[in-house]
Amino acid sequence: EVQLVQSGAEVKKPGATLKISCKISGHTFSDHYIHWVQQAPGKGLEWMGLLDPEDGETKYAEKFQGRLTMTADTSIDTAYMELSGLRSDDTAVYYCATDFVGASAAYWGQGTLVTVSS
Amino acid sequence: QTVVTQEPSLTVSPGGTVTLTCASSTGAVTSSYFPSWFQQKPGQAPRALIYNTRNRHSWTPARFSGSLLGDKAALTLSGVQPEDEADYYCLLDYGGAPLRVFGGGTKLTVL
Repeated sequence: EVQLVQSGAEVKKPGATLKISCKISGHTFSDHYIHWVQQAPGKGLEWMGLLDPEDGETKYAEKFQGRLTMTADTSIDTAYMELSGLRSDDTAVYYCATDFVGASAAYWGQGTLVTVSS
Repeated sequence: QTVVTQEPSLTVSPGGTVTLTCASSTGAVTSSYFPSWFQQKPGQAPRALIYNTRNRHSWTPARFSGSLLGDKAALTLSGVQPEDEADYYCLLDYGGAPLRVFGGGTKLTVL
């Protein structure tokens, strides 16, 4: 069974940098793209970007370009999402998700609540 | 900016049939956009339902089906159950920039 387990909730100050982890088990980590998705309170899903863990290639949505960094440590099957220059409108639940056998975002993490407040 | 549009809300009676659609501001949605559909209930992570237009995941009930309807992707629920009340999102793969875009979501009420 494929499982994605994310790190816990965080409270950050404006201007700080956030780093969330996503440990994946149950499939070959390097074989499938990993996505990160933002969901602000009461709002819809917003695709942030994807990482190819095999070669580290990333693709970011324009909205997050310049602030977003996605990485992976293949030795521990864990992906990371780093968002810098936090603002109050970055307050959201952040999800990681992984493709699987041709299906986009087939499996999801439980989400990480991030609150940005002074 | 690419926008993916879904009906904001729909209401269906238990046992009924409802179709949700997913349109792209760039033009007709085809299978080349690999439409996917997701269900999200309050306080839960999204759950994948359909991928590549019409393929169900192993956990997706048979009452959920995906298709192309005119120039849109569509998700049809047949024999709706009370537990199908949820938010539904489509996801389109544009291949280039932007790579993926979610629709705004449809809030489905079973009443």
